[in-house]
Amino acid sequence: ETGVTQSPTHLIKTRGQQVTLRCSSQSGHNTVSWYQQALGQGPQFIFQYYREEENGRGNFPPRFSGLQFPNYSSELNVNALELDDSALYLCASRGGTSGSITDTQYFGPGTRLTVL
Amino acid sequence: AQSVTQPDIHITVSEGASLELRCNYSYGATPYLFWYVQSPGQGLQLLLKYFSGDTLVQGIKGFEAEFKRSQSSFNLRKPSVHWSDAAEYFCAVGPRSLNNDMRFGAGTRLTVKP
Repeated sequence: ETGVTQSPTHLIKTRGQQVTLRCSSQSGHNTVSWYQQALGQGPQFIFQYYREEENGRGNFPPRFSGLQFPNYSSELNVNALELDDSALYLCASRGGTSGSITDTQYFGPGTRLTVL
Repeated sequence: AQSVTQPDIHITVSEGASLELRCNYSYGATPYLFWYVQSPGQGLQLLLKYFSGDTLVQGIKGFEAEFKRSQSSFNLRKPSVHWSDAAEYFCAVGPRSLNNDMRFGAGTRLTVKP
């Protein structure tokens, strides 16, 4: 186990709804990243938060947004859900003084989102 | 553009046999390189990473990978596969910057025959 937890484990929503996914990072880790993993594909980088500020973003529309809290836990929010948003959403955290990519990244087990 | 290619979608090997999973990348500079493993219902676990130095990298669970700049490859190897190695394996590249725009390949699913 990595110490990174995610909730809920599974979620079913309908098109147009909004969803919030949660991540509790490993103790002491100040950087959290979110990834979307569609079925049969590798994870795709959504965005990264370092000390409560977004400091990197992949090719995802603005309806994907996030937050990082003072305790470094994080939320991923997705508005106006589309069928293609169905995927496994992974959270990853790492420590270090600068959130550098050289710090080992630890992944949570993911939240499986199904959009009907 | 950055990209990672894992040419083999699915590989089957017999327990005790050797394993090589291929990874090719396209990147403008020398990237950071990673191999992750994902078991069903679990998140990704880092097997090994290459940043610089010795091009042969040792990882956990008896895995190793070799960075070959001339071939833009970072293949993962294991001399003797165990049944517990059955999983999905992902190669990833990352930039030498802080924004963690890691790019993953599509993965190779490993099946181990008894």
